[in-house]
Amino acid sequence: QVQLVESGGGVVQPGGSLRLSCAASGFTFSSYGMHWVRQAPGKGLEWVAFIRYDGSNKYYADSVKGRFTISRDNSKNTLYLQMNSLRAEDTAVYYCANTGYSGPRGMDVWGKGTTVTVSS
Amino acid sequence: DIVMTQTPLSSPVTLGQPASISCRSSQSLVHSDGNTYLSWLQQRPGQPPRLLIYKISNRFSGVPDRFSGSGAGTDFTLKISRVEAEDVGVYYCMQATQFPLTFGGGTKVEIK
Repeated sequence: QVQLVESGGGVVQPGGSLRLSCAASGFTFSSYGMHWVRQAPGKGLEWVAFIRYDGSNKYYADSVKGRFTISRDNSKNTLYLQMNSLRAEDTAVYYCANTGYSGPRGMDVWGKGTTVTVSS
Repeated sequence: DIVMTQTPLSSPVTLGQPASISCRSSQSLVHSDGNTYLSWLQQRPGQPPRLLIYKISNRFSGVPDRFSGSGAGTDFTLKISRVEAEDVGVYYCMQATQFPLTFGGGTKVEIK
């Protein structure tokens, strides 16, 4: 079955960097777009970024544009999120999700998430 | 950006009774390809979100048939025909018609 496993979260100081990974299995990773979504403590869901199946197009939320970079390695079935210039408001659980039945920009299956804490 | 507004914020329900959640978008969610990319997600306490319904009314794999979705254009509804204890959690509507993708603020379903 489809499985998404995020990793790379941790505690980082404001202004620091972190790279998240999402290991995918159980489906043809190279055929599907992928998302990053985050959830601040006690808050709702916020879409962060999307990458097409072949990496040809990328989209970002205004809140992370210019600081975060989404990428993928289809040979390794892995999605990435490079996070630079981190701020306290980036503190959240970060989830990856794949597209599929829900459409070319939908979110079918979600990983369990990885926690990012930005604090001095 | 498309704003998604959910009501109510909280829905206390008796076990075995129905529940209904509304979601309104600030503009039509009909895509130029003819599809309406409105999804419903469930987030149980301490769990990641889970897709329940996609394209207004299609149940995702493994979702019980007590969950149903309806609506069109800008107004959508998620219904639970008979609430069970495992349905406790927060429910979100989400639009994937255009970027940036946006979510409703969430509706908390709890047992009375």
